Amino acid sequence: GQNIDQPTEMTATEGAIVQINCTYQTSGFNGLFWYQQHAGEAPTFLSYNVLDGLEEKGRFSSFLSRSKGYSYLLLKELQMKDSASYLCAVRGPGNYGQNFVFGPGTRLSVLP
Amino acid sequence: EAGVTQSPTHLIKTRGQQATLRCSPISGHTSVYWYQQALGLGLQFLLWYDEGEERNRGNFPPRFSGRQFPNYSSELNVNALELEDSALYLCASSSDRLAGVLPGANVLTFGAGSRLTVL
Repeated sequence: GQNIDQPTEMTATEGAIVQINCTYQTSGFNGLFWYQQHAGEAPTFLSYNVLDGLEEKGRFSSFLSRSKGYSYLLLKELQMKDSASYLCAVRGPGNYGQNFVFGPGTRLSVLP
Repeated sequence: EAGVTQSPTHLIKTRGQQATLRCSPISGHTSVYWYQQALGLGLQFLLWYDEGEERNRGNFPPRFSGRQFPNYSSELNVNALELEDSALYLCASSSDRLAGVLPGANVLTFGAGSRLTVL
């Protein structure tokens, strides 16, 4: 089975840096994904890690440690439009029998 | 390139009725995933189809069913609707087979969703 945990809510100030953590316990692993979801909208892909280390994409970076079952999403230079839910998802192994399983999401509020 | 399209955008039904939701994946994607997202809650995995076959299903009762057509589009059927079925139903597509030639193909791309309201 798969169990994914994230903080429920976080608050940060415009222009600041925020780190959203994700811990997971899975029977197999084939990548960890981060998605952003604004209220009432579909999730949009942000970042993807399959190997340990840091992936940087503009203001967003994602880190993975497979041995620790841990990832984080780092958002820099926060903007008001970054207020959204951030979803961590883990994909199982192999070509079949795999799922994308999503964590509960972290609701980020960016304050002026 | 067209993204994942879902229809209808909104659907209102009453208890006991049946609902059918439709999804067209990104061209070339063979996998379609269905998720349920109740208001304020996370994404709950419903069904995964690939190459026309059901590959996995989540912890939902049998009245949630679906299929994938030869053109890889998919439909989700919910029978005997209950009030708690009210939710946003999200479809996503991907393609492992194209991952090496189509950047991002192995990443789930979501449609805008179908919002089902059961009265």
